[in-house]
Amino acid sequence: GAVVSQHPSWVICKSGTSVKIECRSLDFQATTMFWYRQFPKQSLMLMATSNEGSKATYEQGVEKDKFLINHASLTLSTLTVTSAHPEDSSFYICSARGRDGFLGTQYFGPGTRLTVL
Amino acid sequence: DQQVKQNSPSLSVQEGRISILNCDYTNSMFDYFLWYKKYPAEGPTFLISISSIKDKNEDGRFTVFLNKSAKHLSLHIVPSQPGDSAVYFCAASVTGTASKLTFGTGTRLQVTL
Repeated sequence: GAVVSQHPSWVICKSGTSVKIECRSLDFQATTMFWYRQFPKQSLMLMATSNEGSKATYEQGVEKDKFLINHASLTLSTLTVTSAHPEDSSFYICSARGRDGFLGTQYFGPGTRLTVL
Repeated sequence: DQQVKQNSPSLSVQEGRISILNCDYTNSMFDYFLWYKKYPAEGPTFLISISSIKDKNEDGRFTVFLNKSAKHLSLHIVPSQPGDSAVYFCAASVTGTASKLTFGTGTRLQVTL
């Protein structure tokens, strides 16, 4: 149980284009999903928290207009990197917390490697 | 400001022996702690957690110890197996803050034959 998928697993795009990453909870309903990014040899940094049906809450320093998050259903959240630039290249990971799960336990997707040329 | 720290970037342990991974935190508001295991290019996998009302939690080969006064937690893996080789992250959260996790910088564990 508690499986989270992400799509795509990797993506290469040109500078200036937008990229959408999907995060799905496959066997449970996720009231809250989180988006992280990880640079090489660094820790996971929380970007934003999204609750189903409401606006995402962004961490300090994360541009809301650049990283658009939509949590339209209890099993799907999307992260759109708009007008991507090479410095946005990173490993993006989502996690989900279920309605019945222990409050602190998040289950992570496999991640999406974004490379912006 | 790194609120959760893992001061050992790497650790090498022989198969069958005990692996001890350490984590320190500075925020006294943290009341729930988790350990995750991560392979390259994959998302973290939840291993074990502990609430601040406990000082020990055990699950199979994995045991987490919490010392609140020292703001220190550790993960013990006994016996260590080659498949345990991965990066281990500790994470902390404050109940009631939408369970936002603050991660440490990770410790790479290598279990040798």
